[in-house]
Amino acid sequence: EPEVTQTPSHQVTQMGQEVILRCVPISNHLYFYWYRQILGQKVEFLVSFYNNEISEKSEIFDDQFSVERPDGSNFTLKIRSTKLEDSAMYFCASSVDRGNTQYFGPGTRLTVL
Amino acid sequence: DAKTTQPPSMDCAEGRAANLPCNHSTISGNEYVYWYRQIHSQGPQYIIHGLKNNETNEMASLIITEDRKSSTLILPHATLRDTAVYYCIALTNFGNEKLTFGTGTRLTIIP
Repeated sequence: EPEVTQTPSHQVTQMGQEVILRCVPISNHLYFYWYRQILGQKVEFLVSFYNNEISEKSEIFDDQFSVERPDGSNFTLKIRSTKLEDSAMYFCASSVDRGNTQYFGPGTRLTVL
Repeated sequence: DAKTTQPPSMDCAEGRAANLPCNHSTISGNEYVYWYRQIHSQGPQYIIHGLKNNETNEMASLIITEDRKSSTLILPHATLRDTAVYYCIALTNFGNEKLTFGTGTRLTIIP
């Protein structure tokens, strides 16, 4: 069964450093998403992406964040200058089309020191 | 999207049916009811969704009341691996793309 994959599973970085989180969505899916979950809190939507542009973003997704689909398979989330409060689990998801079921990856645990 | 209300926690004996309720009294006609679960800190796992008819798949059954103001997710024979947080989410299938997760129901399966 096709799955969303994410790498790395755990990323440790120093405050102020740039990080790139990687995702490989399910191959025939067209919509891609990033969510995050701070420890003990709800899963929060960050951004959705379609046809090589951002479709929707939340207030959390400020100028420090960017997304890209650099090739036909990867979907990345970049945080330019990490802050302590960026420490969280980051989940990638994909769906066949807008409004269809979203399937999530296993997540990347980001720890900012 | 309509707000959903779920009990914060439930217990169920292993091997029994787990029935997880969800209230969505303000749901609109074009909003589906989606169920996801999250085991520990893993990624949310899709379980099932429906609009107004009852639905069943290999994981669970979804019973939606006729007025669509509430629904129940049924795990027919709960196992220890079903211990997770279960989320009920109302979502229209056009226009709105993001899933809005609440706090869900923490289901604990008791051996």
